[in-house]
Amino acid sequence: AQSVTQPDIHITVSEGASLELRCNYSYGATPYLFWYVQSPGQGLQLLLKYFSGDTLVQGIKGFEAEFKRSQSSFNLRKPSVHWSDAAEYFCAVGARLSGGGADGLTFGKGTHLIIQP
Amino acid sequence: DSGVTQTPKHLITATGQRVTLRCSPRSGDLSVYWYQQSLDQGLQFLIHYYNGEERAKGNILERFSAQQFPDLHSELNLSSLELGDSALYFCASSFGTGETEAFFGQGTRLTVV
Repeated sequence: AQSVTQPDIHITVSEGASLELRCNYSYGATPYLFWYVQSPGQGLQLLLKYFSGDTLVQGIKGFEAEFKRSQSSFNLRKPSVHWSDAAEYFCAVGARLSGGGADGLTFGKGTHLIIQP
Repeated sequence: DSGVTQTPKHLITATGQRVTLRCSPRSGDLSVYWYQQSLDQGLQFLIHYYNGEERAKGNILERFSAQQFPDLHSELNLSSLELGDSALYFCASSFGTGETEAFFGQGTRLTVV
């Protein structure tokens, strides 16, 4: 079974500074990978996804992530954070089904991002 | 707004009771996924329906069941509720079976007292 590890429970970053949120996954083959963001009291919003192809993926709100197969990682980055980026960030992996497609996602525990003024 | 509608937004009920959570997927989406988010377990996949048929089960308890109706809306039934079932329950929908992105609803917050 697949698993996802987000080693940082909390991260504090100054506004305007760069950000990197770590995500490591365990899966026997090439997975589908996702980053979601959740603001307080809200549902999850997809930031970006990796299915195949270019290992550097661009997402919404200026986020990007790089799939590194050798490190089983899919770290999320942003060059300059804004106060509105304060939220909970979840990395998720989807298992590829033998008949095609993926299935229910396995989520990490999340990283709580705090932005300092 | 993701286009996925979940009702009710909040639900408070007593232990031993049964509740039904409803999800309307985005227009055109055939897949519905249910997730449970709790402080101790995090976000866990419960069950997936595709075009009316159960596709996969995750960590869903036997006291819980779901179905997807011909109009593609889905219901999650939780019975013999326990305090530990208190959580946020999310529904997500996608067009395909997972290779396309899933859009999440705002969730139903269930409190069991």
